[in-house]
Amino acid sequence: AQTVTQSQPEMSVQEAETVTLSCTYDTSESNYYLFWYKQPPSRQMILVIRQEAYKQQNATENRFSVNFQKAAKSFSLKISDSQLGDTAMYFCAFMKHEAQKLVFGQGTRLTINP
Amino acid sequence: DAGVIQSPRHEVTEMGQEVTLRCKPISGHDYLFWYRQTMMRGLELLIYFNNNVPIDDSGMPEDRFSAKMPNASFSTLKIQPSEPRDSAVYFCASRGGLTQYFGPGTRLTVL
Repeated sequence: AQTVTQSQPEMSVQEAETVTLSCTYDTSESNYYLFWYKQPPSRQMILVIRQEAYKQQNATENRFSVNFQKAAKSFSLKISDSQLGDTAMYFCAFMKHEAQKLVFGQGTRLTINP
Repeated sequence: DAGVIQSPRHEVTEMGQEVTLRCKPISGHDYLFWYRQTMMRGLELLIYFNNNVPIDDSGMPEDRFSAKMPNASFSTLKIQPSEPRDSAVYFCASRGGLTQYFGPGTRLTVL
């Protein structure tokens, strides 16, 4: 069974700083998808970014980018120029190719301080 | 696009009462998922549907929980009878393509 581990329960940075959230996963699959979701205090789960394992290029969405290291089974999220609105729980998730279930990590609580 | 719609947003009920949570998925999405989130257990997948048909209900905690999807635009999750340990945030998510899109959740409190 696949597992997803987020080793940082909490992180805190100053506004405008860059922060990296860690995620590792365990799988024997070669084709899969990885996701970062954000859950702000409003509790809505919002997709931040998606990475396909067969793509070598790291996904980027504005201030959000990933460092996908397939051999190391690592999928970290970098937030550049952090903003107060980035304060949230961040969940890393894994999905096998042609599967439907997402496997979530336990989350990292990120606080951006003014 | 209105996104996934859930109702009610908050529900407070007493132990033993029946609770019904509702979900309207994004139009055109063919998968629908029900999750439960608690501090202790994180996000748990309860059940999911494909084209209105339940595919995997292995996450449903017990017979008190049931879910239906009578058509492509509506699903319900019912708890009967409810217990205090059912208190949680319940999310509905729908998927078209690779990505699941979540609703705002229903915070259920069972007294």
